[in-house]
Amino acid sequence: QKEVEQNSGPLSVPEGAIASLNCTYSDRGSQSFFWYRQYSGKSPELIMSIYSNGDKEDGRFTAQLNKASQYVSLLIRDSQPSDSATYLCAVEGPDRGSTLGRLYFGRGTQLTVWP
Amino acid sequence: DGGITQSPKYLFRKEGQNVTLSCEQNLNHDAMYWYRQDPGQGLRLIYYSQIVNDFQKGDIAEGYSVSREKKESFPLTVTSAQKNPTAFYLCASSTDLPTTGELFFGEGSRLTVL
Repeated sequence: QKEVEQNSGPLSVPEGAIASLNCTYSDRGSQSFFWYRQYSGKSPELIMSIYSNGDKEDGRFTAQLNKASQYVSLLIRDSQPSDSATYLCAVEGPDRGSTLGRLYFGRGTQLTVWP
Repeated sequence: DGGITQSPKYLFRKEGQNVTLSCEQNLNHDAMYWYRQDPGQGLRLIYYSQIVNDFQKGDIAEGYSVSREKKESFPLTVTSAQKNPTAFYLCASSTDLPTTGELFFGEGSRLTVL
């Protein structure tokens, strides 16, 4: 069973601060990594994907990947109350006994940004 | 507009009854997925299908069944054999094979067993 672990929450930060969300994974062969945001009672939506080591920036969001250490992180700069949600880390890998890809999700980290 | 439609949004069921959750997509995606989410948990894969008339068990397939007779449709049946079916069920689709790419989710179906 492939494992995707996220730092346990909840995480609470003041408005304007940097929120840091971390994720580690067990399958060294994984090549694709995703961050989904899920508001309470809603379905997840993709906010970042990253495939190469290093940083990838998109607006206030930065995804960081270190394949050697098997971790991926998400930084949210200038956090806003509207960023309050659960953030799910997802790692792609082959299913057991198959060459077909699928996503493995972590349990999520609940983020609260207070005004 | 293109998207994924799940129905019903809320469903109540008595113990011992089977129930079928509908999932329809008009995104022309080949791959479709069913996930289950419990409070404070991530998404657990129930079944997935990457082509019509073919599907694979995910991590928690026991007590569930699916069919994929059309590219657009991937219904999930929660059978009476599923011991703890109360949960939030999410259907998703994606376009890239064999890599998953981005998952597009429906709005979910919340099942409560009374």
